[in-house]
Amino acid sequence: NAGVMQNPRHLVRRRGQEARLRCSPMKGHSHVYWYRQLPEEGLKFMVYLQKENIIDESGMPKERFSAEFPKEGPSILRIQQVVRGDSAAYFCASSPGLREFANTEAFFGQGTRLTVV
Amino acid sequence: LAKTTQPISMDSYEGQEVNITCSHNNIATNDYITWYQQFPSQGPRFIIQGYKTKVTNEVASLFIPADRKSSTLSLPRVSLSDTAVYYCLTGSGNTGKLIFGQGTTLQVKP
Repeated sequence: NAGVMQNPRHLVRRRGQEARLRCSPMKGHSHVYWYRQLPEEGLKFMVYLQKENIIDESGMPKERFSAEFPKEGPSILRIQQVVRGDSAAYFCASSPGLREFANTEAFFGQGTRLTVV
Repeated sequence: LAKTTQPISMDSYEGQEVNITCSHNNIATNDYITWYQQFPSQGPRFIIQGYKTKVTNEVASLFIPADRKSSTLSLPRVSLSDTAVYYCLTGSGNTGKLIFGQGTTLQVKP
């Protein structure tokens, strides 16, 4: 059973371009969570999705950021018109349910490191 | 969600026991205490979780006093590969928002 898969592992974008980060949850997991980690800081919650639904996006910046988790395929975190401040590591986690995520083991991917030049 | 406070960094030597204490004075009745480990360039990895008293698994032990305002992660006989950042979190299970603080950077020396 493969773990949470994120790709690409490293992504370089010029200012103003779009960044697309993909997350394939573990098999059987229908809940996906995105976190962002700035250098030397802890992870910050961004968004929580279930298949075809955004449950909580209170941690997402109001502009340029969006997320989806379609019925088929991976979850996508999309950043439009990237700026230097978007440079960070973006981690995805998955769980079979919300209760399992918060009360037991949460499975995180290896992250995508976005560098905006 | 209760705020947690941990030491920013700790040093240890191979073979020693390491205890990292986390303060969570405002922990709610329903909150669990969970510890994660993160190596450079990797996602966090679950270590242990508890509600009260003592919990032990193959990796670590977690000590939680009766008032639950703090907890101590104990790593027995650390090795160089235990060098990582350790995060203490609290949560009630009603949200996907795990709150990660700055964590404790543990440096194990030979």
